[in-house]
Amino acid sequence: EVHLVESGGGLVQPGGSLRLSCVASGFTFSRYDMHWVRQATGKGLEWVSAIGTAAGDTYYAGSVKGRFTISRENAKNSLYLQMNSLRAGDTAVYYCARGHYDSNGNDFDYWGQGTLVTVSS
Amino acid sequence: DIVLTQSPATLSLSPGERATLSCRASQSINSYLAWYQQKPGQAPRLLIYDASKRATGIPARFSGSGSVTDFTLSISSLEPEDFAVYYCQQRSSWPLTFGGGTKVEIK
Repeated sequence: EVHLVESGGGLVQPGGSLRLSCVASGFTFSRYDMHWVRQATGKGLEWVSAIGTAAGDTYYAGSVKGRFTISRENAKNSLYLQMNSLRAGDTAVYYCARGHYDSNGNDFDYWGQGTLVTVSS
Repeated sequence: DIVLTQSPATLSLSPGERATLSCRASQSINSYLAWYQQKPGQAPRLLIYDASKRATGIPARFSGSGSVTDFTLSISSLEPEDFAVYYCQQRSSWPLTFGGGTKVEIK
C-alpha cells in the first residue's frame, strides 16, 4: 500500500526558513516524479513544485521560485522542500503527492495527509 | 499561466440526483485535465485523468468529458459520500494549475 508521510511543518517567523520532508513507502520511489501542493485554510489547492525521477528536472510555481528548493534522496525514499524567506502568504497545509505514472507524472494519484506551515510573528 | 475556471462555485443537490460540474481553461490544454475530490480534513483523491479516464478504484458513476478548453465532471447519481469539493487541474504546461473548486452540498 502506498504511503506518503510529511513532516517538518510548524510555526516560523516571516523571513525564516523551514525544511519539509516526505517519506514514501509501498512503491518504488525512484521511478516516480514527485510534487508538493499546498492549501491555505479554507482555500483551494495550489501546486508548488515538482521533481523528476533523477532529480535533474525541477519546476516551481512563480510564487515560490527563488525561495523554495525541491530535492529528493532516492536511497532514503525521501522528498524534501527547503523553504526560505517565508512570507505570511506561504501559510498552508503542504501536501506531498506522487506523480501519476499514466499521466506523464504531472497529476497526482497519491497524497500524504499534509503538514501545516504557519508563518507569523 | 493557464487559468482554470470552475462553475458553479456551489451545487446544491439531493442524493440520487445527477451532478454536472464545469471546468473551463483559458487556453487549449488538449485533454490534459484531471479531477479530484476533497472531503473536509482529508487530502484530495484523484478521480479522473486525461479528461475522461477513471483512476484506479473510482466508481463508474463518475465520468469526465471534454477537450481543448471545456470540460465536465458528471456524477450520475449522487451517493451520500459524494458531497465534497471537486477540483480540476491541468498538466498541459508549467506551472501546473488548479481550478478554484466546486462544492457539492446536500440540498
